[in-house]
Amino acid sequence: DGGITQSPKYLFRKEGQNVTLSCEQNLNHDAMYWYRQDPGQGLRLIYYSQIVNDFQKGDIAEGYSVSREKKESFPLTVTSAQKNPTAFYLCASSEPGGAYEQYFGPGTRLTVT
Amino acid sequence: SQKIEQNSEALNIQEGKTATLTCNYTNYSPAYLQWYRQDPGRGPVFLLLIRENEKEKRKERLKVTFDTTLKQSLFHITASQPADSATYLCALDMDSNYQLIWGAGTKLIIKP
Repeated sequence: DGGITQSPKYLFRKEGQNVTLSCEQNLNHDAMYWYRQDPGQGLRLIYYSQIVNDFQKGDIAEGYSVSREKKESFPLTVTSAQKNPTAFYLCASSEPGGAYEQYFGPGTRLTVT
Repeated sequence: SQKIEQNSEALNIQEGKTATLTCNYTNYSPAYLQWYRQDPGRGPVFLLLIRENEKEKRKERLKVTFDTTLKQSLFHITASQPADSATYLCALDMDSNYQLIWGAGTKLIIKP
């Protein structure tokens, strides 16, 4: 089956630790995205990548980092510099451009205490 | 800045009736508007896309309208069922890049 996988589903970390969220897709999409979702707010874009070895900051990139070494993979690192990291993180992929639907993974719920 | 507004209060509809959700936007002229369904604790799932030159789009029991003068999209579910209960998100394209701007979503509850 084609789709996007994210792991783990739930993640718990102590404050001050970096943590990496996994995102893999087998849809052969060039574009991949990371969003953060908080209660009562729309999805906010953290980073996006249009092609391998290239990525751009979204609206809330501070405290996060990404890499795109392979077309299939777009891991997100939440660093200790992110002031409020507890949230639901969603990865998505699509054909490039706003005319195309985005396919989402199941999400990772990160709790930092 | 661009802003998208969806009803923040949950919408309660009796089974079998038509549910209508609203998406309003300001300060922007999107070329495309998309609607997604999101169930609790899961990622959004794409439902429909409508282009700026399309007035209406249908898919089975779903219908989307796009009024660029009013800067509004309406999302209709006819013959609603309890299984349609979910949060529905609208998203607009930024046109200049790959970004979508997302509304916060409206929670729809279909009562049997």
